[in-house]
Amino acid sequence: GQQLNQSPQSMFIQEGEDVSMNCTSSSIFNTWLWYKQDPGEGPVLLIALYKAGELTSNGRLTAQFGITRKDSFLNISASIPSDVGIYFCALSSNRDDKIIFGKGTRLHILP
Amino acid sequence: DAGVIQSPRHEVTEMGQEVTLRCKPISGHNSLFWYRQTMMRGLELLIYFNNNVPIDDSGMPEDRFSAKMPNASFSTLKIQPSEPRDSAVYFCASSFRHYGYTFGSGTRLTVV
Repeated sequence: GQQLNQSPQSMFIQEGEDVSMNCTSSSIFNTWLWYKQDPGEGPVLLIALYKAGELTSNGRLTAQFGITRKDSFLNISASIPSDVGIYFCALSSNRDDKIIFGKGTRLHILP
Repeated sequence: DAGVIQSPRHEVTEMGQEVTLRCKPISGHNSLFWYRQTMMRGLELLIYFNNNVPIDDSGMPEDRFSAKMPNASFSTLKIQPSEPRDSAVYFCASSFRHYGYTFGSGTRLTVV
């Protein structure tokens, strides 16, 4: 089946630091998605990427769709306490409406 | 729109009991998904409906799990009989094709 690898699994950073996480897939896909899950809530879409090489920003968040169409990264600049949560990369299936999620990166921010 | 609505938010039940989780998708969305989230396994897709028809149930763990979507505005996920290893957070999500993929707030199930 489809392999979607997300790293790192968890991160402990100081407030104000920049954060980078990435995902790789074993196949080529047309859409990369990044979600954030706050404690006690469902994941919420942050950024959607539709073209290879596309670089998209949403405030302090920046994500890129890799040229090979098999990877993507998410950067968070100048982290703040409300950035705490689990970040998921996801791929939309080429064949149906399903979305495949990575295992998530759990972000912890130290005071 | 109120988003995807799940109920209950929390459920504690004894092993062997039947559990029913409910979901109301966003109006106009034609796909509905049930996920289970645990620390060990992350987010797992259990079953996916399109236009109220089950399309892919390959993620349903075993025969104790069943899901229905009698109409476009309501779906249930039932576990009978429940076991402690079913304890998890269960999410419902809906979308129109790939767009507007939105999750509910989840049901935290504890089976004791």
